[in-house]
Amino acid sequence: SYVLTQPPSVSVAPGKTASITCEGNSVASETVHWYQQRPGQAPLMVIYYNTDRPSGIPERFSGSKSGSTATLTISRVEVGDEADYYCQLWDTGGDHPVFGTGTKVTV
Amino acid sequence: EVQLVQSGTEVKKPGESLKISCKGYGYDFATYWIGWVRQMPGKGLEWMGIIYPGDSDTRYSPSFQGQVTISVDESISSAFLQWTSLKASDTAMYYCTRRYYYDGTSYLEWGQGTQVTVSS
Repeated sequence: SYVLTQPPSVSVAPGKTASITCEGNSVASETVHWYQQRPGQAPLMVIYYNTDRPSGIPERFSGSKSGSTATLTISRVEVGDEADYYCQLWDTGGDHPVFGTGTKVTV
Repeated sequence: EVQLVQSGTEVKKPGESLKISCKGYGYDFATYWIGWVRQMPGKGLEWMGIIYPGDSDTRYSPSFQGQVTISVDESISSAFLQWTSLKASDTAMYYCTRRYYYDGTSYLEWGQGTQVTVSS
């Protein structure tokens, strides 16, 4: 079964850049999506199809993928970006989503 | 605008039954899979199962098979998650999600969540 590993926490100063990785054997062959979950709120998609941003998500959020690692990058980090972030792909064999372990970003 | 609106906070005792709901707005409810995700306090996201409203085809994660029942009433654009006998370990936030499928992958659109607390 698919396993997606993320660093438990990332700490970043305001105005700097945060990078959150998502590693797994399946990442190379599947499409990765990213969600932001602010405290007390439901997850919100910030990147889909590896690199695309939904409307309303700031350009400061970007996604990339290389081999077995997908990366969410937040540029010019703001206090409001403090949240948990989860990567997700779809297990096409089992037909269900697989979530990463989650990363808490502290600003 | 697509929206998933979930029922409100529940506080129950161990052994009680519960059914929570998720109503879809702004799209053809019958043609998108609805899934449920559990988030225990301070923990990550866990996939529970999914249902297709058009024909009630239902699939459960092995971890939740036999523990919960997922159902749907297409006539009122609503999906449900049900327990027959709650345990303290069922205390969690539960999210319903709409599966958006395109080009070999799927992502999720989320309801606002329903907090379930089970305590004696």
